[in-house]
Amino acid sequence: AQTVTQSQPEMSVQEAETVTLSCTYDTSESDYYLFWYKQPPSRQMILVIRQEAYKQQNATENRFSVNFQKAAKSFSLKISDSQLGDAAMYFCAYRSANYGGSQGNLIFGKGTKLSVKP
Amino acid sequence: DTEVTQTPKHLVMGMTNKKSLKCEQHMGHRAMYWYKQKAKKPPELMFVYSYEKLSINESVPSRFSPECPNSSLLNLHLHALQPEDSALYLCASSQDSFTNLAKNIQYFGAGTRLSVL
Repeated sequence: AQTVTQSQPEMSVQEAETVTLSCTYDTSESDYYLFWYKQPPSRQMILVIRQEAYKQQNATENRFSVNFQKAAKSFSLKISDSQLGDAAMYFCAYRSANYGGSQGNLIFGKGTKLSVKP
Repeated sequence: DTEVTQTPKHLVMGMTNKKSLKCEQHMGHRAMYWYKQKAKKPPELMFVYSYEKLSINESVPSRFSPECPNSSLLNLHLHALQPEDSALYLCASSQDSFTNLAKNIQYFGAGTRLSVL
């Protein structure tokens, strides 16, 4: 079974600085997808960024980028120029790319709570 | 439009009450999901509907009864709940539950905060 581990329960960053959130996962599959979701106090889970395992190039979305190390099974999220609105719980998630069964289901890490200091 | 709408936002109910949670999406998605999320924990999958048919039930107690009347609507009927069922209930939808494409992303609603007294 696949597992996702986020080893940092809480992180803090100064506004305008850069912060990196860690995520590791365990799987025997070669094809899968990885996601970072953000859950602000408003409660809605918002997709921040996604990465296809077969792509070597790291995904980027504006101020958000990932460092995907497939061999190390590591998928960290870097937030540049942090803003107050980035304060939220961040969940790393895994989704299998194999057909059938629970292929479409997300497996979440326990989350990292990010605080942004003005 | 990537909106998943959940109603009500908050719900307080007694252990003998019957209530329902509602989830709606108009993105043409054919998979819909119910998750339960306790405070400071990740969401836990409860049910998956694919093409209006229940495809996954993660051993959820029968006091939770899902229903998918059409491809846009998902309900969760609640009956005889326990205080430990108090949580945030999240609904999500995706293109379907088996398409092997990166764009098959789950979009979440803002949830219903349920308190069982």
